[in-house]
Amino acid sequence: GEKVEQHESTLSVREGDSAVINCTYTDTASSYFPWYKQEAGKGLHFVIDIRSNVDRKQSQRLIVLLDKKAKRFSLHITATQPEDSAIYFCAASGIASSSFSKLVFGQGTSLSVVP
Amino acid sequence: DTTVKQNPRYKLARVGKPVNLICSQTMNHDTMYWYQKKPNQAPKLLLFYYDKILNREADTFEKFQSSRPNNSFCSLYIGSAGLEYSAMYLCASSRDRGGEQYFGPGTRLTVL
Repeated sequence: GEKVEQHESTLSVREGDSAVINCTYTDTASSYFPWYKQEAGKGLHFVIDIRSNVDRKQSQRLIVLLDKKAKRFSLHITATQPEDSAIYFCAASGIASSSFSKLVFGQGTSLSVVP
Repeated sequence: DTTVKQNPRYKLARVGKPVNLICSQTMNHDTMYWYQKKPNQAPKLLLFYYDKILNREADTFEKFQSSRPNNSFCSLYIGSAGLEYSAMYLCASSRDRGGEQYFGPGTRLTVL
């Protein structure tokens, strides 16, 4: 089945700099790649996604890049702010036991934005 | 209201005892999911309901049960808790099977 690796377990950046979180996946059939943010004491919150028919998507300060050939996708947070500090999870759609699609998550990256 | 609610937020259980966790959403989503998350690990899908159809992952098939009495509610049931069940349990819902998932705050289960 699908496996998603999130390469950075922790990341620290200075406020105003960019942060990049990288993920790789194994299933070439995966076509949907969302990113979730988890703040302390809260559940996962959707931030941005990309589908396999495009290789770049931007929403305000968030940019997602998808390289289907390398089976790699990344989240770029530009002009980071202290409130960006959280755990970020990448995910890829895979096939569940029942043949329905399901999300397979990476292990998470703890991002700290320091003043 | 895009809120998914989970009760309780914290649950303490004894080994061998049953555990029942509750999730609710008022977005009229047809799919509801349960994930298990342990520290420094990825959230792991346990099962999901698409409408009234329950789909359980092969490796957790016998460990977890679930019910969905109506569109808004979904429960996760552990018949006999073991120490390995200690984890955060996350409920999520989506409008359809492949769409954006909305997560609840989670229930932290500790089995002693």
